[in-house]
Amino acid sequence: GNSVTQMEGPVTLSEEAFLTINCTYTATGYPSLFWYVQYPGEGLQLLLKATKADDKGSNKGFEATYRKETTSFHLEKGSVQVSDSAVYFCALIIDWNTNAGKSTFGDGTTLTVKP
Amino acid sequence: NAGVTQTPKFRVLKTGQSMTLLCAQDMNHEYMYWYRQDPGMGLRLIHYSVGEGTTAKGEVPDGYNVSRLKKQNFLLGLESAAPSQTSVYFCASSYPTRTSGHSYNEQFFGPGTRLTVL
Repeated sequence: GNSVTQMEGPVTLSEEAFLTINCTYTATGYPSLFWYVQYPGEGLQLLLKATKADDKGSNKGFEATYRKETTSFHLEKGSVQVSDSAVYFCALIIDWNTNAGKSTFGDGTTLTVKP
Repeated sequence: NAGVTQTPKFRVLKTGQSMTLLCAQDMNHEYMYWYRQDPGMGLRLIHYSVGEGTTAKGEVPDGYNVSRLKKQNFLLGLESAAPSQTSVYFCASSYPTRTSGHSYNEQFFGPGTRLTVL
C-alpha cells in the first residue's frame, strides 16, 4: 500500500535557524506530493506541492524537491520565524481518478520556533 | 468565498448520545471527505463522497454514517457516541485537475470540530 513517513517531532528551533523536515514515501504508482501546514486551532492548508520527479515546490520561503530515486520530499526553509510555528504534514495522492483524490498523510511534525 | 465551513466548532456529548456534524463548501467541488485527527496518528479518513448522492467508506468508518444530499453539504453522523470517538474532525473538499500530463489535486480543509465524548 501507500504510506508516508515523516521525521518525528517535536522540533524546536531558534528564530532564523535552518529547517529541514524529512518526508519519505512508498507508493504503488506515480504519486503527487504535498506539504500541508496546520496553524494552532485551524484546519490544514496547502503549503506547496510537486507533481513529478525533480519538481520543486515553493511557497512562503519553504521549498521541497520531489526525489523519485530516494522516494523523498523533504521540507526546507533557510530562516524560520516565530510565525512558522505549526504542524506540518507530508501527503501523497496516487492516481487521482481511480482513488477519488484520497490523500495518504504522514503523522505530522510539530515545529516550535522560539524568539 | 467562505471556503469550507464546519458546524459546530466544539461539542461535548455523553456516551450513547447522537449528533450530526455539518460541512459546507461554496467552491462547487465534487469530492468531499471526513477525517479525524488524533494525537500521534495524523489524519484518518472516515468516509468520503465523489458526488451528490454518493458516499463511500474510508479507513475508519465504524460508528459513523454520512450523507451527501446536496453537492455543497456533507454530513457526518454519530448514532451512539463512544469515548473512543473523542477527536478533532475535519472536513475537506477537492476537485480534479491536471497539469503536465499528471493529475493532482489539493484538498481544502475546514477549521475542524472538537468533539469530546464523556
